[in-house]
Amino acid sequence: DAGVIQSPRHEVTEMGQEVTLRCKPISGHNSLFWYRQTMMRGLELLIYFNNNVPIDDSGMPEDRFSAKMPNASFSTLKIQPSEPRDSAVYFCASSPRGGRDTGELFFGEGSRLTVL
Amino acid sequence: AQSVTQPDIHITVSEGASLELRCNYSYGATPYLFWYVQSPGQGLQLLLKYFSGDTLVQGIKGFEAEFKRSQSSFNLRKPSVHWSDAAEYFCAVGEGDMRFGAGTRLTVKP
Repeated sequence: DAGVIQSPRHEVTEMGQEVTLRCKPISGHNSLFWYRQTMMRGLELLIYFNNNVPIDDSGMPEDRFSAKMPNASFSTLKIQPSEPRDSAVYFCASSPRGGRDTGELFFGEGSRLTVL
Repeated sequence: AQSVTQPDIHITVSEGASLELRCNYSYGATPYLFWYVQSPGQGLQLLLKYFSGDTLVQGIKGFEAEFKRSQSSFNLRKPSVHWSDAAEYFCAVGEGDMRFGAGTRLTVKP
């Protein structure tokens, strides 16, 4: 089975540029999550969707960050304009809902972003 | 608000020795609790989970964890550590807006 697929795996960009990270969740999963991981702050939940609808975006650090989920099989996290402090590994995760599997997250391999 | 505390940032154990990683949680209702493992350059992989029922849960790779409501703890254990267990371990609580602890990095000495 294909897991959560993220792209790009690595991105190096210059300050001020727009960055778009992409995620394809596991087919049939109804929830999708974006996390950011840094040494200083650990794993932070940025936003999560349920049935393509954003449920909680309180973790999105600034207006420079935006996330969309136009359909059940695709989501994007966009940073515009990017800043050096946005450098981190961004993880996408998906989750089935209901039953014994409620809450379990399946993670992608992450997108490592470096903003120079 | 739900939160998770992992008191140990880094633990070193010898191969073959037993392991216990600590996790304390704060949650208003019956918690859903998880342990995940992250190898370098990889995403997180679920080791085990607790929703209800038997408070001792078994996971993959020989790990187990015990839920203790009175202590608000969900400690991860393994009787004999292998060198391949060296990784970062995360405790997590919640459903939906799952919150992760800061992680414990495990080093295994030969």
